[in-house]
Amino acid sequence: SQTIHQWPATLVQPVGSPLSLECTVEGTSNPNLYWYRQAAGRGLQLLFYSVGIGQISSEVPQNLSASRPQDRQFILSSKKLLLSDSGFYLCAWSVGAAGELFFGEGSRLTVL
Amino acid sequence: RKEVEQDPGPFNVPEGATVAFNCTYSNSASQSFFWYRQDCRKEPKLLMSVYSSGNEDGRFTAQLNRASQYISLLIRDSKLSDSATYLCVVGRSGGYNKLIFGAGTRLAVHP
Repeated sequence: SQTIHQWPATLVQPVGSPLSLECTVEGTSNPNLYWYRQAAGRGLQLLFYSVGIGQISSEVPQNLSASRPQDRQFILSSKKLLLSDSGFYLCAWSVGAAGELFFGEGSRLTVL
Repeated sequence: RKEVEQDPGPFNVPEGATVAFNCTYSNSASQSFFWYRQDCRKEPKLLMSVYSSGNEDGRFTAQLNRASQYISLLIRDSKLSDSATYLCVVGRSGGYNKLIFGAGTRLAVHP
């Protein structure tokens, strides 16, 4: 069966520090991969999606970047965090345009 | 205007009540529709897909009205375990599966 894991689950970072969140998917090949952010009391905002290794599309201009070095690995990064980067970050995968997204457990980031 | 709009609630209902959530979407090119459930501080999980003909899964019934661009979710015989935030989700295909999430409607079922 397919599983998705992301880490770390929780982190507190100072403004200006770097960020790296990692996500891996097991049990499927060539998944579509996504990074979403959910700010407190807000809906999920799509940040990045990837349809293959090295293929990254950004939905919104921002302080973050994403990379897909392997088929089932998706990384979210920042060189310098802003206060506004605080939120609940969710990695997700889907098979093609099947519709359903499967989410990881989420990473809760607080920038102080 | 948000692409997917929901009443944020909260809806506070007693056990056994029937509760209905509504959702509207603005993009007429939308092709797929879902309800997700999100428990507090957890990841969203698919509750059910929504089809034009309407569909039912146990106590849950989803309806879609493409002409009005309106989606609904009906929960019958509410349980305490139904307390969660319900996210209306609308998708457009086009090389990837772009899903737009509503901000969610919070449901609190009390004894």
